[in-house]
Amino acid sequence: ELKVEQNPLFLSMQEGKNYTIYCNYSTTSDRLYWYRQDPGKSLESLFVLLSNGAVKQEGRLMASLDTKARLSTLHITAAVHDLSATYFCAVEETSGSRLTFGEGTQLTVNP
Amino acid sequence: AAGVIQSPRHLIKEKRETATLKCYPIPRHDTVYWYQQGPGQDPQFLISFYEKMQSDKGSIPDRFSAQQFSDYHSELNMSSLELGDSALYFCASSFRDSYNYGYTFGSGTRLTVV
Repeated sequence: ELKVEQNPLFLSMQEGKNYTIYCNYSTTSDRLYWYRQDPGKSLESLFVLLSNGAVKQEGRLMASLDTKARLSTLHITAAVHDLSATYFCAVEETSGSRLTFGEGTQLTVNP
Repeated sequence: AAGVIQSPRHLIKEKRETATLKCYPIPRHDTVYWYQQGPGQDPQFLISFYEKMQSDKGSIPDRFSAQQFSDYHSELNMSSLELGDSALYFCASSFRDSYNYGYTFGSGTRLTVV
């Protein structure tokens, strides 16, 4: 059974600081997704990582994928309050199959 | 661009009642997925349909059933509702093509069982 683990689960940081969220998964897969969720809202797609070594950046967020280590990272640069949300990674075992989510990282950026 | 449409947005039901949630996928998407997200939890996969046939099944209670219709919309039917069924229910759709990727999630239906 595929397991996806994120850490940390809770992250409180100050504006302007950098931090990294880690996502480990237990089976071979080269398809990994990052989502953002605001309280009570839907899942907003941030990044789709489809191959080993993939790196994508959007604004203050950068995601990478190492399929050999079964590890993805979401790096936050110079955090701002608007980034406060819960971030989920999700792994797709095969194309079109279900997504298995990590537990989520609740990020709070303090002014 | 068209998104995944879910209805209703909010639903309040009493214990032992039934509920039906609807999902309209993005046009030309051939796969629909249902997820359940409890308070403070990650989304859990319930069931999926590919070209109107059930393609995968997760931790969906026997009290729940789902189907996909000829127009590709899908319905999740929930019977004998329990307090623990209170959650956000998301539908997602995708196009199963090796050169396309990504899932689009709907806004969700918040079900409250009282």
